[in-house]
Amino acid sequence: SQQGEEDPQALSIQEGENATMNCSYKTSINNLQWYRQNSGRGLVHLILIRSNEREKHSGRLRVTLDTSKKSSSLLITASRAADTASYFCATPLMGATNKLIFGTGTLLAVQP
Amino acid sequence: KAGVTQTPRYLIKTRGQQVTLSCSPISGHRSVSWYQQTPGQGLQFLFEYFSETQRNKGNFPGRFSGRQFSNSRSEMNVSTLELGDSALYLCASSLGGGTRKINTEAFFGQGTRLTVV
Repeated sequence: SQQGEEDPQALSIQEGENATMNCSYKTSINNLQWYRQNSGRGLVHLILIRSNEREKHSGRLRVTLDTSKKSSSLLITASRAADTASYFCATPLMGATNKLIFGTGTLLAVQP
Repeated sequence: KAGVTQTPRYLIKTRGQQVTLSCSPISGHRSVSWYQQTPGQGLQFLFEYFSETQRNKGNFPGRFSGRQFSNSRSEMNVSTLELGDSALYLCASSLGGGTRKINTEAFFGQGTRLTVV
C-alpha cells in the first residue's frame, strides 16, 4: 500500500497545550499537505509544504518536513476545543495528476 | 466563490442496486477527484477527471465508474452495490492545469454518506 502512516492514532490534550502529529510517507514528493476533518464531514486544507522547504508556519500551525527521513510533523500551538478533529497528511502522486495519497490520520481531542 | 457541492448528502440503498453521486467543483477548477473513506481502509483514491478525461484511477473494481462533463461537474456511479460499499464518498476539486498548477491544494465537498443495507 502507498498509504502513509501517522502517529499517534489518537491524542487527547487540554486547551492551551500544544499538539504534535507525525506523518511518514513512502514515495518521492513535490509537496506534502495537511488536512483537517471534523467528524464525518469534508476535509479542509490547512497547509502545504514544498519538498525544498524544511519548515512552514501558518497562524498557530507549524509544519516541518524531512525528505531524507520521508517524514513530516504538524504542531498546533495553544490548542482550542475547536481544534478537535482528525488530521491527515497527504502527498500528491508525482506527475500530471492531482491524486493524493493520505496517511491514516490522527484523531485529536482538545478538552476544555 | 462557492465551494464544492456534493449531492445527495445521505443515501440509503439496498444490495444489488446502483447509485449515482454528483459533484460540482469550484468555478474554474478543471480537476475533480473522488475518494472513498471507511473506518477500516481510511481515505482511498477512486479516480480523477480532468477536462472530461479520466486521468488516474485507483484500485477499485469496475463497478465503480465516473465521468466528467464539459462544465467540469462530475458524477460517480456504483453498480451492483455491496454492503462493503457503505462509506463516505468525497469529491475534491483542484485547479489541475499545466505543470505550474499541478499537485496543488484540493478543496473537498462535504461528502455523500452512502449506506448499503
